[in-house]
Amino acid sequence: QVRLQESDPGLVRPSDTLSLTCTVSGVSIRTYNWGWVRQPPGKGLEWIGYVYYTGNTKYNPSLKSRVTMTVDTSKNKFSLKVRSVTAADTATYYCTRDLPPSFWGQGALVTVSS
Amino acid sequence: QSGLTQPPSASGTPGQRVTISCSGRSSNIGSNPVSWYQLLPGTAPRLLIYTDGQRPSGVPDRFSASKSGTSASLAISGLQSEDEAIYCCAAWDDSLIGVVFGGGTKLTVL
Repeated sequence: QVRLQESDPGLVRPSDTLSLTCTVSGVSIRTYNWGWVRQPPGKGLEWIGYVYYTGNTKYNPSLKSRVTMTVDTSKNKFSLKVRSVTAADTATYYCTRDLPPSFWGQGALVTVSS
Repeated sequence: QSGLTQPPSASGTPGQRVTISCSGRSSNIGSNPVSWYQLLPGTAPRLLIYTDGQRPSGVPDRFSASKSGTSASLAISGLQSEDEAIYCCAAWDDSLIGVVFGGGTKLTVL
């Protein structure tokens, strides 16, 4: 059974870097496209980007300058970093599989606050 | 990012059939499969429909979807109180080279 689980960074200070990791179980990360989606409180879903196991990436143009996604095939995990965060980056972050997503993690609430 | 367009709200009474629309462009809905999700507070989005009209196992056949040109729609028949949620569409966009989501439609069961 495919399962995705996000790490829980919790509180991140403004201007710092938000870091999240998604642990994948039940399937090899060496297949499919793996991505991130976020949902700010009270708002809709926003696609952040995806990474393939080869390391190829594609990011949402609105976030491209601040986002990096990587994959660790030895640990069956992939990661997201968002630099220079502000309160506008406060959201529940989901790791996903496929484009559009077919599998979702449970979500990790990230709050940006001093 | 240009997303997909959905009505902000919809409503129906128990047992009724309701439809929710999703409008896009030739670069997304017009040329790529559409997925639909059910969003409930505090839970991960639930995939209801993929590849325009396919249901994952476990999704009741009360949920169906269709697509025509650059528009798609989700239909829920035999409406139940537990269907009260936000419904969101999504598709790959060839121009953006990324996924676009609809803003979501809040369904109220009266």
